[in-house]
Amino acid sequence: DAGVTQSPTHLIKTRGQHVTLRCSPISGHKSVSWYQQVLGQGPQFIFQYYEKEERGRGNFPDRFSARQFPNYSSELNVNALLLGDSALYLCASSLGWNMNTEAFFGQGTRLTVV
Amino acid sequence: AQTVTQSQPEMSVQEAETVTLSCTYDTSENNYYLFWYKQPPSRQMILVIRQEAYKQQNATENRFSVNFQKAAKSFSLKISDSQLGDTAMYFCAISDQTGANNLFFGTGTRLTVIP
Repeated sequence: DAGVTQSPTHLIKTRGQHVTLRCSPISGHKSVSWYQQVLGQGPQFIFQYYEKEERGRGNFPDRFSARQFPNYSSELNVNALLLGDSALYLCASSLGWNMNTEAFFGQGTRLTVV
Repeated sequence: AQTVTQSQPEMSVQEAETVTLSCTYDTSENNYYLFWYKQPPSRQMILVIRQEAYKQQNATENRFSVNFQKAAKSFSLKISDSQLGDTAMYFCAISDQTGANNLFFGTGTRLTVIP
């Protein structure tokens, strides 16, 4: 079975541009979460979606948005990119949305803003 | 709000020896989960072990075990019989009560297993 897949694996963007990152959860998983991992730090929670509804939002500006599609895949959008948005963006999926279900992570998208 | 502190940025251990990674946390929640994740150079976060705060018995997974001290808000990871494949970044994390995926991570400990 395929794990959590993210695309693209690497991306270079210019300041002020927009970027869309994609995530496909494990088959049967209905919850997707996004994390930002700046070099040398632990991941920081951005969003959680479950059954296409936002269930949680971290402390990120409105330039960050996300959505979940009927097939449970998800997109993370970032507008007006800043140099500080350079990071590894991780997607995690789980069967449910509560604490009793294990989260499985993808290998991430490395975003570089120049 | 939850916070997680890992005070050991780097550690090393000889192959086949035992090493303990430290983690302290703070939360106002009554029920929560604590986790240790491993992140090898491949970047994928892999769950090593998890502990429900209501369970007093320390969790174990093969060579990995935890020492959970709820009153002290401490959650250390012990790796026995260290193997070269254990070389990775290790992150301690705590869950938000709204969901398993709302995880708050520490800054990580880089573990190197020396042959």
